[in-house]
Amino acid sequence: DVVMTQSPLSLPVTLGQPASISCRSSQSLVYGDGKTYLHWFQQRPGQSPRRLIYKVFNRDSGVPDRFSGSGSGTDFTLKISRVEAEDVGVYYCMQGAHWPYTFGQGTKLEIK
Amino acid sequence: QVHLQESGPGLVKPSETLSLTCTVSNGSITTHYWTWIRQPPGKGLEWIGYIYFIGNTNHNPSLKSRVTMSLDTSENQLSLKLTSVTAADTAVYYCARIEGDNSIVYWGQGTLVTVSS
Repeated sequence: DVVMTQSPLSLPVTLGQPASISCRSSQSLVYGDGKTYLHWFQQRPGQSPRRLIYKVFNRDSGVPDRFSGSGSGTDFTLKISRVEAEDVGVYYCMQGAHWPYTFGQGTKLEIK
Repeated sequence: QVHLQESGPGLVKPSETLSLTCTVSNGSITTHYWTWIRQPPGKGLEWIGYIYFIGNTNHNPSLKSRVTMSLDTSENQLSLKLTSVTAADTAVYYCARIEGDNSIVYWGQGTLVTVSS
């Protein structure tokens, strides 16, 4: 299985400050169509996950532009330019290039 | 807006079979691949398997051959059966629709299944 390793696992952030989550995969996530199948999800407490970013850097409709994704190959990053209270939750990266698809362990973002 | 709703027993005894149904509304189950994903309490997310209406299915090898997924096109439902359950199968089970890039936009609300005698 492709192992997805996130860091940090816990991320205390002051409101209005930036935050960054790293995700590394154990192998390339380039799919057969040449695109990179790395996605980011947010899971607020008590809710189902919500997709934020797909294929590395594409922001979903309704996702604030303070969220951005970047990276290539096996090294990816989710950035929040200015953390707001509603961003509290667990963030997961996920690879959809190799079955079984796998998630990272999750990064818990909390307000300091 | 596609809506998914899981249903089934919240408590299953060890060694028995976990059975869940997911009802899909505002969209046909014949247009996409569908999946079940689970999340043990306080832990991360695990793909269980996927299914397509023409019979293409696959499951996570970690679950060996305990998984059976099916679709009922007349009811617009998908179902999951997981046999020989243990406490390790205690989790919130989500049904979800797989998008073209193998990610997920539409999730059910999830249903907690506890394995206990």
